[in-house]
Amino acid sequence: QSVLTQPPSASGTPGQRVTISCSGSSSNIGTNVVYWYQQLPGTAPKLLICRNDQRPSGVPDRFSASTSGTSASLAISGLRSEDEADYYCAAWDGRLSGQVVFGGGTKLTVL
Amino acid sequence: EVHLVESGGGLVQPGGSLRLSCAASGFTFTKHNMNWVRQAPGKGLEWVSKITSTGYTIYYADSVKGRFTISRDNAKNSLYLQMNSLRAEDTAVYYCARDALNDLCLFDYWGQGTLVTVSS
Repeated sequence: QSVLTQPPSASGTPGQRVTISCSGSSSNIGTNVVYWYQQLPGTAPKLLICRNDQRPSGVPDRFSASTSGTSASLAISGLRSEDEADYYCAAWDGRLSGQVVFGGGTKLTVL
Repeated sequence: EVHLVESGGGLVQPGGSLRLSCAASGFTFTKHNMNWVRQAPGKGLEWVSKITSTGYTIYYADSVKGRFTISRDNAKNSLYLQMNSLRAEDTAVYYCARDALNDLCLFDYWGQGTLVTVSS
């Protein structure tokens, strides 16, 4: 299983706000920044959130993220059909000699 | 525009070897750390290896340590992954991914991936 824990699935209706959690430990989320990636069906992953809460240019402000202690969360407001994708969190893990760890991914379904 | 194009994937028998390449363009390759990230069929993402911009510092996931070797040729704007002693569990799409300048962000650009299948 993954070092970072995400719910396997999430869902919402258009216009709704959904959140996806990412749980880690003191060696990763507790001491290092968190990143979020979006993977649309059949495509390569794309950077969504950098360094806990920063959106790269081009990422809509409907996407936001935060961290607290050893957990992180991604929020998507004004849900749209094109947001249906897999979402992954990631962080460095100091206990693993500089290795990067991912969450198992959350499949978001827009109902 | 940043482009990362992987190549070299294919079918290989267990215990065999394969060398992946990633051709980079649209940015100053010599200034960026680079990574390989893989995704087994129907599974999540797994970071494989990182190499710093100069090539002096390298990291590996425990799952590939001792079997895979990452390298880069800054003169050719290329990243490589030599994979030896391949196992069925190494079957995955392998992505080349760039880190932003000064490590401000991990994996800010990704290639389209190349599929490696380990099977007899």
